[in-house]
Parts: sequence; structure tokens; C-alpha cells
Amino acid sequence: AQSVTQPDIHITVSEGASLELRCNYSYGATPYLFWYVQSPGQGLQLLLKYFSGDTLVQGIKGFEAEFKRSQSSFNLRKPSVHWSDAAEYFCAVLPRAGGTSYGKLTFGQGTILTVHP
Amino acid sequence: EPEVTQTPSHQVTQMGQEVILRCVPISNHLYFYWYRQILGQKVEFLVSFYNNEISEKSEIFDDQFSVERPDGSNFTLKIRSTKLEDSAMYFCASSWSSGYTFGSGTRLTVV
Repeated sequence: AQSVTQPDIHITVSEGASLELRCNYSYGATPYLFWYVQSPGQGLQLLLKYFSGDTLVQGIKGFEAEFKRSQSSFNLRKPSVHWSDAAEYFCAVLPRAGGTSYGKLTFGQGTILTVHP
Repeated sequence: EPEVTQTPSHQVTQMGQEVILRCVPISNHLYFYWYRQILGQKVEFLVSFYNNEISEKSEIFDDQFSVERPDGSNFTLKIRSTKLEDSAMYFCASSWSSGYTFGSGTRLTVV
């Protein structure tokens, strides 16, 4: 069955520390991959996406993610976390049936990030 | 940057009442979606809409739900007879080759 897994429900880091949020997927073929961020009570903001090409993708707010086909992973990273990064982060996948950017997104369970001063 | 606009941002309704959630997708996008997020849970797909018809729907999207594109700009989700378990954040999204964009959501509370 197709699935998206974010193994870490809650992560706590100190401000200035590095961050890695994990995402693994199980699909027949490599899907399109996304990371979204959601602040409390807010909507979903796209951080970055991977469609093809360079497996290291740069996003907004200093985030990057690396696609590793061999591990079916798309982990999100940031070298130095800021207090304003505290939020919930969702990995999502979109099957490659047809063209780009349309179809049903499947989300992971989310990872809540807490940042200590 | 183009945005998906949702109204209202919050809605409280009594159980059994009908509600309509409204969305204005990005103007050059051709696919439209509704997703739902129950408090503390992950975001779930409800329905996708293309060329004035439903292209895919989840098992959550039963007969009490309907979608409509009443004019060239709006996209609505109607819940005919709300239940307590319909309380959630509802997200509209639109997509085409340029991207897949979500609105800021409507928080629906059924009392």
C-alpha cells in the first residue's frame, strides 16, 4: 500500500542547532515530494518540492531537503534553527500519474518542532 | 505571489445544519481540491475537481458532501447535515503545472 511516514512525532532542538526531519515513502514509482509547514491555527505553507533533477532541493526560510531514491527518503534539513521555525512540518507525496502538480496529495502524520532558546 | 483565498476563516454551526465553505483558487489553475484536518491529525484528501466534475474522491467524501464551481472563480464545499465529527480545518487547494497551493483554511466547529 502507498504510504508516507514521518517517524518523529515531536522533535525539540535548541535555537541555533541543526535540524533534520525524516520522511519515508512507499510508492511503486518515485512520486513528487513536498514539505509543508503549518504554524498553530494557520494554513499550509510550501517549503520546497522535488520533481526531478538535482536531488538536493533548496526551499524558503533556509530549509533544504535531499531525495534519496535508494532509501525512499526525502529528509528536511536546516543548518541553524530559529525560534520562529517552531511549527508542525508535513511531508507529502503526489503520484506521477499524468503530468506535474495535479492529483491527490498524501500527507505524513507530521512532526511538531519545538525550539528552545 | 498568487494565493488561494478561503472564507470564512472560522465557522461555528449547529449539528444538522448545512454549511458552505468557499474558496477562490488561483486564476490559471485547473485542478481544485478540498482537504480536511481533524485537530491533532494529519491532513486528509477529500475530493479533487477538474473540468467541472469530480475527478477523484476519498471514502470520507460521502453523500453529505458536495462540491461546486458556481462561476469562473469560486469553488465551494457543501456539507448538507453537519455532524460533530465534521469539526475540522478544511483546506482548499488548486494546482496546475506551476504548483500546488493551499489556502489558509476554514476552521469548522460543529456544536
